[in-house]
Amino acid sequence: KQEVTQIPAALSVPEGENLVLNCSFTDSAIYNLQWFRQDPGKGLTSLLLIQSSQREQTSGRLNASLDKSSGRSTLYIAASQPGDSATYLCAVRSPPDTGKLIFGQGTTLQVKP
Amino acid sequence: ETGVTQTPRHLVMGMTNKKSLKCEQHLGHNAMYWYKQSAKKPLELMFVYSLEERVENNSVPSRFSPECPNSSHLFLHLHTLQPEDSALYLCASSPGTGGTNTQYFGPGTRLTVL
Repeated sequence: KQEVTQIPAALSVPEGENLVLNCSFTDSAIYNLQWFRQDPGKGLTSLLLIQSSQREQTSGRLNASLDKSSGRSTLYIAASQPGDSATYLCAVRSPPDTGKLIFGQGTTLQVKP
Repeated sequence: ETGVTQTPRHLVMGMTNKKSLKCEQHLGHNAMYWYKQSAKKPLELMFVYSLEERVENNSVPSRFSPECPNSSHLFLHLHTLQPEDSALYLCASSPGTGGTNTQYFGPGTRLTVL
């Protein structure tokens, strides 16, 4: 049974700092891995999707990497800003592929001005 | 604006009530999903519909009854709920259910069961 873990559960950093969020999964047989952002009381916004054949994806100040063999992904945020404060969720797609995403518990990030 | 809307945004109901959550997507997608987000637990998939056919039922109790009348609308009918069913219920849609499809989420309905 696929399980997804995110560490740390919470993180507080000063503005401008570069930071890394971690995600691990127990079964390396995945189709893809996705990083989402969730603001308080809101739905999820997709940030980056990495297919199982890819090693990384970049969007602006965000870079996500995937090491499928070790069951790990990282989300790197460069030059953090207060507007980056949110909960970041990692999710994987595993067989059978019925569209099911398996989520980690999330990392709540606070960027202080 | 994500193109996926949910109503109501907040709902308080007693254990004997019957209510329904509504989701509508304006993206022309063929797949729709219900997720449950409880406090201190990972977000959990409840149901998946593809072209109005249910393709996944993730061991959800029968007091939750989904309905997908067309590819743009998804309902979650609630009856005889328990306090532990209080959670944020999120709807999502995607072009299809295949692995390359990104899911787009609505803002959620915050449900409180008294």
